[in-house]
Amino acid sequence: DIQLTQSPSFLSASVGDRVTITCRASQDISSHLAWYQQQPGKAPKLLIFRASTRQSGVPSRFSGSESGTGFTLTIISLQPEDFATYYCQQLKSYPITFGQGTRLEIK
Amino acid sequence: EVQLVESGGGLVQPGTSLRLSCAASGFTFSDYFMTWVRQASGKGLEWVANIKEDGSEKYYADSVRGRFTISRDNAKNSLYLQIDSLKAEDTAVYYCARYFRSGNYYQDHWGQGTLVTVSS
Repeated sequence: DIQLTQSPSFLSASVGDRVTITCRASQDISSHLAWYQQQPGKAPKLLIFRASTRQSGVPSRFSGSESGTGFTLTIISLQPEDFATYYCQQLKSYPITFGQGTRLEIK
Repeated sequence: EVQLVESGGGLVQPGTSLRLSCAASGFTFSDYFMTWVRQASGKGLEWVANIKEDGSEKYYADSVRGRFTISRDNAKNSLYLQIDSLKAEDTAVYYCARYFRSGNYYQDHWGQGTLVTVSS
């Protein structure tokens, strides 16, 4: 199985800050990585697919990048609505796996 | 507008069975793989199962294989998850999601979830 190691688990930041969340895959996943945002009590929302492509309607302050088996979600100029939990997901092979999640809270 | 609405959750006793449903609308249901994902309270997301557009291929997480059965009825635009021999660790919110698989791969639309609580 492909393991995804997501870090940090918890992140405290202020409105206007820039934050970075990383996700490392245990083997090559050929860019088949997605990022989701989940607000408390809500379903996950797709932000990024294929490592760096923003889903339609997602603000440009969200961006994804990759370097080998390492992936990064960057949010610049944090807005109040961005404080949520973020998950990476690999869809290269079964079983599909998620990272452990990163909870982003207001400092 | 794409809509996915789950139902069928509730409080159930260990060892019993339950069938979850997901009603799809706003898109051609038979053109898409579909997915079930679950989330225990305060925990992360766990992929459960996928089913091909025509139902001919099914994929399961090891943790549920043999007890869970994913199925679909394209005539009714509905996805199902049959859960047998329920265990306490199956307690979770269960989400259905549309799985886009055409060059790129992702779950782009999710339902609101249905809560399954397994307890005596």
